[in-house]
Amino acid sequence: QKEVEQNSGPLSVPEGAIASLNCTYSDRGSQSFFWYRQYSGKSPELIMFIYSNGDKEDGRFTAQLNKASQYVSLLIRDSQPSDSATYLCAVNIDGGSQGNLIFGKGTKLSVKP
Amino acid sequence: EPEVTQTPSHQVTQMGQEVILRCVPISNHLYFYWYRQILGQKVEFLVSFYNNEISEKSEIFDDQFSVERPDGSNFTLKIRSTKLEDSAMYFCASGRVRSNTEAFFGQGTRLTVV
Repeated sequence: QKEVEQNSGPLSVPEGAIASLNCTYSDRGSQSFFWYRQYSGKSPELIMFIYSNGDKEDGRFTAQLNKASQYVSLLIRDSQPSDSATYLCAVNIDGGSQGNLIFGKGTKLSVKP
Repeated sequence: EPEVTQTPSHQVTQMGQEVILRCVPISNHLYFYWYRQILGQKVEFLVSFYNNEISEKSEIFDDQFSVERPDGSNFTLKIRSTKLEDSAMYFCASGRVRSNTEAFFGQGTRLTVV
């Protein structure tokens, strides 16, 4: 059974701090990795994707991938109250095609003003 | 900004009834997906659709489910005989290319089976 695991939280950080969200996955054949943000009652919104080991930065967000450890993380710098949401890690084992994503349950992030 | 539109936003149906959830993907997109999220649970992949046929489906997508693109603009998910456990938020997504980097989600339809 292919699994994606996340700490459900809540993770609480003060405004301006770095939020660190972690995710592990079970299938070594996983090819591509995605971070989605989901506000309560809303649909998932893609914020980052990463395919290769190492870091990928996009504005205040940095995704980190370590395939040997089967670990992917998301750092949010200068956290804002508007970043408060559930962050979903998703993994695709088919090279990023066809939309067959395996999602984690998500980590709820709360950024306190 | 173009968006994926889903109707209705909330559907209540009696157990055993058929429901059709509707989606209008972004106009130049070619790849279409349905996901569901049971309250408090993970988002789960149901099916992907391209070139008028199913590309891939999950174990959840059994014979009770079907998808169709009836008129070149709408993309529908039909559940033939709803069960209580079908109650969930159903998300449609579309993409211009196969990669998930281009997949955009609709706002979802909340299905409640009573």
